[in-house]
Amino acid sequence: DSGVTQTPKHLITATGQRVTLRCSPRSGDLSVYWYQQSLDQGLQFLIQYYNGEERAKGNILERFSAQQFPDLHSELNLSSLELGDSALYFCASSVASDSSYEQYFGPGTRLTVT
Amino acid sequence: SQQGEEDPQALSIQEGENATMNCSYKTSINNLQWYRQNSGRGLVHLILIRSNEREKHSGRLRVTLDTSKKSSSLLITASRAADTASYFCATDADAYSGAGSYQLTFGKGTKLSVIP
Repeated sequence: DSGVTQTPKHLITATGQRVTLRCSPRSGDLSVYWYQQSLDQGLQFLIQYYNGEERAKGNILERFSAQQFPDLHSELNLSSLELGDSALYFCASSVASDSSYEQYFGPGTRLTVT
Repeated sequence: SQQGEEDPQALSIQEGENATMNCSYKTSINNLQWYRQNSGRGLVHLILIRSNEREKHSGRLRVTLDTSKKSSSLLITASRAADTASYFCATDADAYSGAGSYQLTFGKGTKLSVIP
């Protein structure tokens, strides 16, 4: 158990809909990262927050947004969903903002868009 | 584009044998990390090696880093059925993506099957 929790575990929704994925980092970790894992694209970095502020942005679509709240939990919002958004979405946390520290991954949310 | 590329894509060995996976990357790095992922589950950090280190050990794991060749290898000795998983290398991009932050870029992984 990494100490990172993600809800829900599974999500099935229709195209055009909007969903929110939630992540609680390990106690004491200030950084939260979001990743998307699909069979064809592999594990893609989406966005990072550190202590409530956006720190780094990766291949995140404009239809996607995220935020980190004062209690350090984070939410990833996916809107106008398309079939191609079906994937595993992982949240990870680390103690600091840079990549010199290991990241602890949550169990993931499996999103299926029908 | 992928920064790290693992090789081979898939590897099947008998229990007790050693497994070696390789990772090549394109640009300069500060550190390289290896992660394991059991099917459909979250990634688990295995080991981090910094650019000024050449070799690192952790239990049955041995990681080497050759910055001149931009490559790393992960050796798992005396493999067990429980080692069956996908193994990813991750490198930090060479360009700042924000103040004091480097993104981790993952390869597509090596799928290791250890046959009992």
